[in-house]
Amino acid sequence: DTGVSQNPRHKITKRGQNVTFRCDPISEHNRLYWYRQTLGQGPEFLTYFQNEAQLEKSRLLSDRFSAERPKGSFSTLEIQRTEQGDSAMYLCASSLAGSHESPLHFGNGTRLTVT
Amino acid sequence: GIQVEQSPPDLILQEGANSTLRCNFSDSVNNLQWFHQNPWGQLINLFYIPSGTKQNGRLSATTVATERYSLLYISSSQTTDSGVYFCAVERVNSGYALNFGKGTSLLVTP
Repeated sequence: DTGVSQNPRHKITKRGQNVTFRCDPISEHNRLYWYRQTLGQGPEFLTYFQNEAQLEKSRLLSDRFSAERPKGSFSTLEIQRTEQGDSAMYLCASSLAGSHESPLHFGNGTRLTVT
Repeated sequence: GIQVEQSPPDLILQEGANSTLRCNFSDSVNNLQWFHQNPWGQLINLFYIPSGTKQNGRLSATTVATERYSLLYISSSQTTDSGVYFCAVERVNSGYALNFGKGTSLLVTP
């Protein structure tokens, strides 16, 4: 068990470009979450998957954002036509649904800077 | 959505001191977790505590779900306890998204 892994750690892109982030959850975890965190704030929920099904999306997730978890294992988050307001830390987390306790485990995040 | 309020927003302690952090929430919850975000940004799960009391070393937490609050106790604080402490809750019948408060920023000085 190597924990939740996110790549890349940092991404600098120009406004208008597309970016994609990857998350590998803890191997036996069936729930996967994406959060966004800006300076001085708590993480904000974006979306979550149970296995390969995307079950909930926040209204923060505009149509420029899309997330996939094609085989119920790793997930990708794509942002199209990036804007400066998209600059943030993007956090992935996973948990095991159906267990008595299901604590959330976070990765180290991908820091996005849009110039 | 559910409101999560944490207090105090900032706290400075000398090493060895004790502290209590509070989390109030505006609706019934079936999941409450406490996290520590260290100065390098890593979020570590401290407690899964929708109700009752738990202890882990120098840390303990109590949630009184009927009164809609949770407390995190830090005893004999150490400089490594510095960082931001977040409370996160999942509202009953609202899916499985955890909603985070704004956190308590703790600095422990030598």
